[in-house]
Amino acid sequence: DQQVKQNSPSLSVQEGRISILNCDYTNSMFDYFLWYKKYPAEGPTFLISISSIKDKNEDGRFTVFLNKSAKHLSLHIVPSQPGDSAVYFCAALGPGAGSYQLTFGKGTKLSVIP
Amino acid sequence: GAGVSQSPSNKVTEKGKDVELRCDPISGHTALYWYRQSLGQGLEFLIYFQGNSAPDKSGLPSDRFSAERTGGSVSTLTIQRTQQEDSAVYLCASTTGGVQVYEQYFGPGTRLTVT
Repeated sequence: DQQVKQNSPSLSVQEGRISILNCDYTNSMFDYFLWYKKYPAEGPTFLISISSIKDKNEDGRFTVFLNKSAKHLSLHIVPSQPGDSAVYFCAALGPGAGSYQLTFGKGTKLSVIP
Repeated sequence: GAGVSQSPSNKVTEKGKDVELRCDPISGHTALYWYRQSLGQGLEFLIYFQGNSAPDKSGLPSDRFSAERTGGSVSTLTIQRTQQEDSAVYLCASTTGGVQVYEQYFGPGTRLTVT
C-alpha cells in the first residue's frame, strides 16, 4: 500500500520551459514534505521542502506547491536546464508528530532536452 | 566537508553468502538511517539509529538483516544468507538529529547483486 505516489515514471521537457513533477499522498497525518534529486550512481540530494502549514515554498528556480485538501504536491522547475535531468523523489515525513521516517515515492525521471 | 560515505560501492555475492555494508556518516551527525532501493521502487526504510537510543528496526524485512552502529558513528548493515530478492541499492543517510531537522544527507549507496 503506497502512501506516497508519483504516477509519472518519466517526463521530458524542452530546455527553458517549465517542468512540473507531481506527487500524491494518502495519509493525512503527513506533515512535512521533501523533494530529493538523484543522479545515476549517486545518493539522493535534498532539493526543497514544505511544511503542511504552508501551501508554497520557493527557492530560486524551484517551487513546491502543497494542496492539503487534495493531498497533492508538485515541484515546479522554471526555467528547466539540461543539468536538471535526474530522478526526482517526493518524500513525506511521518505519519505523526515527532516522526523521523521518510516515506518515498518511486520517483520521476526528468529529461530536459537542449 | 566530507559527506556520507559508503563501502563497497558495488558488491556481487553468491546466494547464501553473508555480506557486510559499511556507512560513515557526516561527522557530528547523531542520526543514521539505512534505506533500500529495489529496481523500479522508491526508497524503503530499513533501520534508524539516534544517539545512544535503541535503534528502530521496524523496517528490516527479515531476521537475516541486522545493523550495528559503533561509537555513535560508523554503521554496518549485515545480510546473512543472501537471497536474490536482496539485490538492491542500499543507501545510508545521516542528519544532525536536532529538533525539526528533517533533511537527510545520503551516501552514494552500495549496489548489491546476489547471483
